[in-house]
Amino acid sequence: QKEVEQNSGPLSVPEGAIASLNCTYSDRVSQSFFWYRQYSGKSPELIMSIYSNGDKEDGRFTAQLNKASQYVSLLIRDSQPSDSATYLCAALPQGGSEKLVFGKGTKLTVNP
Amino acid sequence: GAVVSQHPSRVICKSGTSVKIECRSLDFQATTMFWYRQFPKKSLMLMATSNEGSKATYEQGVEKDKFLINHASLTLSTLTVTSAHPEDSSFYICSAWPGQGAKTQYFGPGTRLLVL
Repeated sequence: QKEVEQNSGPLSVPEGAIASLNCTYSDRVSQSFFWYRQYSGKSPELIMSIYSNGDKEDGRFTAQLNKASQYVSLLIRDSQPSDSATYLCAALPQGGSEKLVFGKGTKLTVNP
Repeated sequence: GAVVSQHPSRVICKSGTSVKIECRSLDFQATTMFWYRQFPKKSLMLMATSNEGSKATYEQGVEKDKFLINHASLTLSTLTVTSAHPEDSSFYICSAWPGQGAKTQYFGPGTRLLVL
C-alpha cells in the first residue's frame, strides 16, 4: 500500500452540492493529516488540518479522520465554481519527521 | 502570518546556464525548508530537505551536483539549477517549516522555470 492514496478523479459536482474527497493512509504516516488546495499553475495552500478522530469544521469545509479505518476525508458544502482545484491529502510520518507525505491529488470540478 | 516568498516567480534561460531561485520566510524563522518540483498535471515531487547551517538531504534520484541548495540563514534558502537543460523546465516550489511547535509547512508561490 502506498503511504497516502487518493482517487485521482476527476470528481465533478454541480454548484451547491457537497463534494466529498477521500484519502487512505498506511501505518507509517499516521500522525497528523492535512488537506491542501492547489489551483492550476499555483502552489499548494493549506485549508484544513486534523490530528484526532472525528470531525473538524471550518466554514464550508469539514475534515473527518477515522484512525481505525485509516482514512481521512474532506467535505466541501455548497460547492462553488471557485472550489475547482486539485486537492492534496498529506500526512506526517510517525517518529517526528517534518517531511510531509503527499497523495497524488484529486481534481475537483464544480460545474455552474 | 507564515508567509513564504520565492524569487523570481518565473524565469526563462538558455540551455547550459545556471539559475538561482530564492525562498524566504518573511515573518518566521524556518529551521527546515523543502524544495519540490512539479511537472504539468503531475504530483509534487520532493527534491531535497534543507536545514540551516548544514548540507541538504536529497531524495533518491535527485542529482545534488545539479541542484545546489544553500540554507544560509533561518529565513533564506536558495536552489541553483546548474547547467540547465530543457528537461529541467518545471515548476519549483519551496516550503518552510517554522520549527518546534509548528504543525505543518507553508508553501511559497513557486517559480516557473523554462529552459530554451
